[in-house]
Amino acid sequence: KAGVTQTPRYLIKTRGQQVTLSCSPISGHRSVSWYQQTPGQGLQFLFEYFSETQRNKGNFPGRFSGRQFSNSRSEMNVSTLELGDSALYLCASSKDGVQETQYFGPGTRLLVL
Amino acid sequence: QKEVEQDPGPLSVPEGAIVSLNCTYSNSAFQYFMWYRQYSRKGPELLMYTYSSGNKEDGRFTAQVDKSSKYISLFIRDSQPSDSATYLCAMSGHNNAGNMLTFGGGTRLMVKP
Repeated sequence: KAGVTQTPRYLIKTRGQQVTLSCSPISGHRSVSWYQQTPGQGLQFLFEYFSETQRNKGNFPGRFSGRQFSNSRSEMNVSTLELGDSALYLCASSKDGVQETQYFGPGTRLLVL
Repeated sequence: QKEVEQDPGPLSVPEGAIVSLNCTYSNSAFQYFMWYRQYSRKGPELLMYTYSSGNKEDGRFTAQVDKSSKYISLFIRDSQPSDSATYLCAMSGHNNAGNMLTFGGGTRLMVKP
């Protein structure tokens, strides 16, 4: 069974631009969560989508948004990029239950210049 | 103060040693406890998943949860150089209607041949 895939793997943007990252979950998984990982703050929860609806949201500004499609694939968008948005963005998928085991993708490394 | 505290290390041990990794937490609502391993420039890989208190063993890995002390541990027996990675504890609770994980900052482990 294929794992979680994320595209692109690496991205360089400049301040003020926006970016869209994509995540394809494991087949049969309906929950997709997004996390930001930085050296200073570690892994922080951004949001979770389940059946095309946002089920949970972390403490991030409104510049961070996401969506999920009917095939469970998910995208996250960051508008008006700031230098501090440079991070590894990780996507994790799980089955349709609550508190299910989450499996992570390889991440998208975003550098904001 | 963070909800989940983890010594960042690095922890350096000789090959074959028993490794002990620990996390403390403050939120008594946490019921589900996980350990992830993350190699450099990769996504986290789930090692152990434990519900509530007690021990769980899987090969060379043993996870312990002491909810009364709000303390969890991961033991690695017969450590190998391939175990060199960052180990992240993660947890979630019944008060979360979804799949939102709170992570520790990670402990970097180096196993020397």
